[in-house]
Amino acid sequence: NAGVMQNPRHLVRRRGQEARLRCSPMKGHSHVYWYRQLPEEGLKFMVYLQKENIIDESGMPKERFSAEFPKEGPSILRIQQVVRGDSAAYFCASSPPVRRGTGELFFGEGSRLTVL
Amino acid sequence: DAKTTQPPSMDCAEGRAANLPCNHSTISGNEYVYWYRQIHSQGPQYIIHGLKNNETNEMASLIITEDRKSSTLILPHATLRDTAVYYCIVRVAETSGSRLTFGEGTQLTVNP
Repeated sequence: NAGVMQNPRHLVRRRGQEARLRCSPMKGHSHVYWYRQLPEEGLKFMVYLQKENIIDESGMPKERFSAEFPKEGPSILRIQQVVRGDSAAYFCASSPPVRRGTGELFFGEGSRLTVL
Repeated sequence: DAKTTQPPSMDCAEGRAANLPCNHSTISGNEYVYWYRQIHSQGPQYIIHGLKNNETNEMASLIITEDRKSSTLILPHATLRDTAVYYCIVRVAETSGSRLTFGEGTQLTVNP
C-alpha cells in the first residue's frame, strides 16, 4: 500500500507565477490535510478537505491560495502570483474515514517550493 | 485542543533510553495524547498515541500520568536515526477528521 504521494518534490517559480502542488492520499483515505513549513519554523495547518468539500480552511491565507480535492484525482494546492514569502515546504497528510480512537494522520514527504 | 509544553531540546547517548516529557495540564477527558516526529526536512511520522493507559509499540512507549496532565515518550534504545524534532499533540480523536496542531516540539539529538 503506497504512502501519501506528493509531487513535484521540488518546484521553482518566479515571482508572479502560479504553483500547483499535488497530493495523492493513501488508498482508502478520504481526508486530506495541507500543512506549510517555512524555513526554520514549525508546521502550520492550512486546510482540511474531504472529497469535493472543504471542511476547515482556517489556516489558509485569504488571498492567492486555494485547495481542492475532486471526486477523481489528487488534491491540489494552488498558489497564484507567488511571492518570495511563499517559499516553504508544503506537506500533505491523509487519514481514513471516521474511526473512533485512532485519528492518525499519514504524511507525505512534502513539496518544496522556491520562489525566485 | 489543549496546549502542550515541551522542552526545546534534549540530548541522549546512543543506546540509552530517551525520555521526552510533555505537559498538557488543560487536557480534557476526551482528548488523546499523540506523538509525532520529524526527521530533518522529512514528512512528520506518527509514533504512538494514548488516552489514559500506558501504550507500547515497536517504536516507543507512552507513559501518561494518572491525572493525565503530563506524559513521557520513551525511546528505549535510541539510535542516531532517532535524531529528530518530537511533537506532543493533544487532540480529540472521536473521528479522524480533525487536524493536528503542531507546537515547537523537542529537538532530540542522539550522540554517538
